[in-house]
Amino acid sequence: AIRMTQSPSSLSASTGDRVTITCRASQGISSYLAWYQQKPGKAPKLLIYAASTLQSGVPSRFSGSGSGTDFTLTISCLQSEDFATYYCQQYYSYPMYTFGQGTKLEIK
Amino acid sequence: EVQLVESGGGLVQPGGSLRLSCAASGFTFSSYEMNWVRQAPGKGLEWVSYISSSGSTIYYADSVKGRFTISRDNAKNSLYLQMNSLRAEDTAVYYCARADSVAGLFDYWGQGTLVTVSS
Repeated sequence: AIRMTQSPSSLSASTGDRVTITCRASQGISSYLAWYQQKPGKAPKLLIYAASTLQSGVPSRFSGSGSGTDFTLTISCLQSEDFATYYCQQYYSYPMYTFGQGTKLEIK
Repeated sequence: EVQLVESGGGLVQPGGSLRLSCAASGFTFSSYEMNWVRQAPGKGLEWVSYISSSGSTIYYADSVKGRFTISRDNAKNSLYLQMNSLRAEDTAVYYCARADSVAGLFDYWGQGTLVTVSS
């Protein structure tokens, strides 16, 4: 099975900061990588797919990059509503998906 | 408006069984692949099972294979997860999630139903 490893596991930042979260796959997955945002008590929300394509309605301060095994999610100019937990997901082995362990983004 | 509403969660003893349901509305259910995803308390997301739009193709995570059974009733716009031989490590919020028609990504999720396995 493909393993997804995110770093860091948690991150403290301030409103207006730029942050980057990394996701590494245990084998090459081309660009079959998605990012989800989850707020406490809520279901996850799809942000980015195909490594860099924003889902409809997602603000442009979110961006994704990477291919193969290494991927990043960047949030430029953090807003208060962005403090949440972020998960990467590979769908190279669709429909047997795997998620990263999550990165909790907290207010400094 | 797309809606997915899970039900059937609760407290069950180890070794017991539970059947989860997911009622879908606001879209043509029979045209979409569906999944179950779970999240243990304070932990990350774990994909559990997939079913094709017709129900003819099914996959499971190794952690539940042989114990869980996914099914659907397209006439009733419903998705199910039969869970047998439950273990403490199956304790989690279980979400049903629709797979979009382009890449199979989870574009809509239910609110989740909590399953607690404990004596």
